[in-house]
Amino acid sequence: GAVVSQHPSWVICKSGTSVKIECRSLDFQATTMFWYRQFPKQSLMLMATSNEGSKATYEQGVEKDKFLINHASLTLSTLTVTSAHPEDSSFYICSANRDYQYYEQYFGPGTRLTVT
Amino acid sequence: AQKVTQAQTEISVVEKEDVTLDCVYETRDTTYYLFWYKQPPSGELVFLIRRNSFDEQNEISGRYSWNFQKSTSSFNFTITASQVVDSAVYFCALNPGNTGKLIFGQGTTLQVKP
Repeated sequence: GAVVSQHPSWVICKSGTSVKIECRSLDFQATTMFWYRQFPKQSLMLMATSNEGSKATYEQGVEKDKFLINHASLTLSTLTVTSAHPEDSSFYICSANRDYQYYEQYFGPGTRLTVT
Repeated sequence: AQKVTQAQTEISVVEKEDVTLDCVYETRDTTYYLFWYKQPPSGELVFLIRRNSFDEQNEISGRYSWNFQKSTSSFNFTITASQVVDSAVYFCALNPGNTGKLIFGQGTTLQVKP
């Protein structure tokens, strides 16, 4: 199977600090990774699309300077929440595709961010 | 517009009852994929099924079955003889144009009582 991991699984940080979340494809090369955000008791919303070696594409309304995405290799994408505020507290989930097979998505287990 | 609607916010049933979760989607793309995911309290999404727009065959997997009808743009999910372990939030999702970007419905919280 295709396994995607996320690290950390949960993190608590103070307002104004930055936090980095990693998304790794463990047994395949991910040509594309997607980042989603889920607020409590709400649905998942796509934040951005991350392609290896190129700039991420952000969805409308997502601040690219606040949510920095880097896809440095075919197995790793990172999401950095800069100058985090309590309203950034959310569940962040990544997904990955391999070989541009967009019909098949592999989701990570998610990272729960709490900003105090 | 591309959209997924799960009109049922919460459903509560007693164990062994059958339950159907509704999903209606909107897209102008002729190629698209539909998914159902289960999200238990841990938060991790559990993949249940994928269907492409050219395959309207219904599918059965154990106690789970899915009814895909393009004429009504619906992709409903039925659990037969529900069990307490089925309690979770269920999401229907659309991959329009096979872009990989999933559009999720609002989710249906299913509570199965013993």
